[in-house]
Amino acid sequence: GQQLNQSPQSMFIQEGEDVSMNCTSSSIFNTWLWYKQDPGEGPVLLIALYKAGELTSNGRLTAQFGITRKDSFLNISASIPSDVGIYFCAGREGTDKLIFGTGTRLQVFP
Amino acid sequence: DGGITQSPKYLFRKEGQNVTLSCEQNLNHDAMYWYRQDPGQGLRLIYYSQIVNDFQKGDIAEGYSVSREKKESFPLTVTSAQKNPTAFYLCASSKGMNYGYTFGSGTRLTVV
Repeated sequence: GQQLNQSPQSMFIQEGEDVSMNCTSSSIFNTWLWYKQDPGEGPVLLIALYKAGELTSNGRLTAQFGITRKDSFLNISASIPSDVGIYFCAGREGTDKLIFGTGTRLQVFP
Repeated sequence: DGGITQSPKYLFRKEGQNVTLSCEQNLNHDAMYWYRQDPGQGLRLIYYSQIVNDFQKGDIAEGYSVSREKKESFPLTVTSAQKNPTAFYLCASSKGMNYGYTFGSGTRLTVV
């Protein structure tokens, strides 16, 4: 099945640093979602985007729906240890089911 | 509080045995989904159901079966035909196909 290209695959950063990750698709999407998965748990929705160019924040997290509608970006500012986990993007074409990215594994060192 | 519950959290089975994973939601969601996650991997769709008494195969349905007799429940059976059943299994639900998904906390299945 189709999966989105998410990069980077993993990141190792120091506490306090900013983080950027992105997701690209070969298809035009009408919805982009970003999830975070803590170790041993299910993913939790962070941000939902529904319009091209939309920029939405949730605390230190900011996500953007790309203008081309084929990509999305997630930024985390001033990272803290509890930001550790796997971040998944997910997108939808039309009214079909969600397609998930391959995940970005984030490790934060104190 | 509304939510989606998977049980048990950890499950051990002997090779060759069928095992059923439970997924219950009280969110009044119409659609439910089962995903498999292997270490360091993304989410792969096993089965999904948009409405009671109806379900469709996902990308990796072989060796799995499901039922949707009630709106609240979508159990997954891992059969002996599944070659590599050891994995983390995630259940999710949504209001409909056009909405975001709410995930359960997962069941880690180990087959020995």
